[in-house]
Amino acid sequence: QVQLQESGPGLVKPSQTLSLTCTVSGGSITSGNYYWSWIRQPAGKGLEWIGRIYTSGSTNYNPSLKSRVTISVDMSKIQFSLRLTSVTAADTAVYFCARAVIAAPAFDIWGQGTMVTVTS
Amino acid sequence: QSALTQPASVSGSPGQSITISCTGTSSDVGRYNYVSWYQQYPGKAPKLMIYDVSIRPSGVSNRFSGSKSGNTASLIISGLQAEDEADYYCSSYSNTNTPPYVVFGGGTKVTVL
Repeated sequence: QVQLQESGPGLVKPSQTLSLTCTVSGGSITSGNYYWSWIRQPAGKGLEWIGRIYTSGSTNYNPSLKSRVTISVDMSKIQFSLRLTSVTAADTAVYFCARAVIAAPAFDIWGQGTMVTVTS
Repeated sequence: QSALTQPASVSGSPGQSITISCTGTSSDVGRYNYVSWYQQYPGKAPKLMIYDVSIRPSGVSNRFSGSKSGNTASLIISGLQAEDEADYYCSSYSNTNTPPYVVFGGGTKVTVL
């Protein structure tokens, strides 16, 4: 059974870069049937889609974050990563990685989430 | 402000049916048959309950059903149970920018009275 696990620093200073990794276990990240996304949720608020990467390496980002986001994949390590530059307090949130079936943009497998706080 | 509009809260008594609406526009809910619904308990990751408007993933109770009319999608929970008390989010593709990207609703807190 495929499982996802987020990892990375829990604290990031303002103006710096947030970097997170999602490790895929129990299955292959190379299947062309899926894409891999990052989604975040500020405390007490709703979900916000950050972006996605296909196994081809093609990416799509939320237009509101596009200028600051990079998602990459390392298939040899069965990981995909998120970089968010120039962070502010507004980027403080729980960050989830998730898998979706290409034909149906529905996220069927999620990581447990990791809390990232932007603070000096 | 979320792209899709959901009521902040919906409540019902055990055994009753409730409906959660998800209102978008002709650029998202109205354009694509790709509405999904998620259930989230506090401190937990969301769980996929419905995709492609009305399809239940394996293992999801048939008390959960989905539909869509125009720019509004709905999640119906029948035979409400205490375990259904959670937050629910809808999502859809949106093509206000190209390529299409994923948008979520603001979430609805379901309370079982």
